[in-house]
Amino acid sequence: DIQMTQSPSSVSASVGDRVTITCRASQDISSWLAWYQQKPGQAPNLLIYAASSLQSGVSSRFSGSGSGTDFTLTISNLQPEDFATYYCQQAKTFLWTFGQGTKVEIQ
Amino acid sequence: EVQLLESGGGLVQPGGSLRLSCAGSGFIFSTYAMTWVRQAPGKGLDWVSTISGSGAGTAYADSVKGRFSMSRDNSKNTLYLQMNSLRADDTAVYYCASVQGRQLDYWGQGTLVTVSS
Repeated sequence: DIQMTQSPSSVSASVGDRVTITCRASQDISSWLAWYQQKPGQAPNLLIYAASSLQSGVSSRFSGSGSGTDFTLTISNLQPEDFATYYCQQAKTFLWTFGQGTKVEIQ
Repeated sequence: EVQLLESGGGLVQPGGSLRLSCAGSGFIFSTYAMTWVRQAPGKGLDWVSTISGSGAGTAYADSVKGRFSMSRDNSKNTLYLQMNSLRADDTAVYYCASVQGRQLDYWGQGTLVTVSS
């Protein structure tokens, strides 16, 4: 199985900050990577797919990059509604796996 | 508006069975692969299984293979997850989600399954 490792596991930031979350795959997954945001008590919400494509309706403050094994989610100009947990998900094969999550907390 | 509504969760004893359902609306259900993802209390997301739009193809995580069975009734726009031989570590919120490409674009609100004596 392909393992996904996110870092950091948590990050403290302030409104207006730029936050970067990384996700590393245990093998080459090309650009088969998605990012999700999850707020407490809610279902996850798709942000980015194919490593860098912004899902319709998602703020342009979110951006994704990377290919192969190393990927990044960047949140620019952090807003109060962005405080949440973020997960990466590989989809190279249909045995999908998620990263362990990164919690973005208010500093 | 796309909606996915899970049901069927509850408390079950170890070794027991439960069937989850997920009713879809607002999209052409039969043209979308569907997935179940679970989340144990306070933990991360865990992919469980995926089924093709026709229902002919399925894939399962190793942790549930042989115990869980995913199916769908496209005439009823409904997805199912039959869970047998349940264990304590199956305790989780179970989400159904639609597959767009290789990502999960719409999610239900989840249904809680608790396996405990």
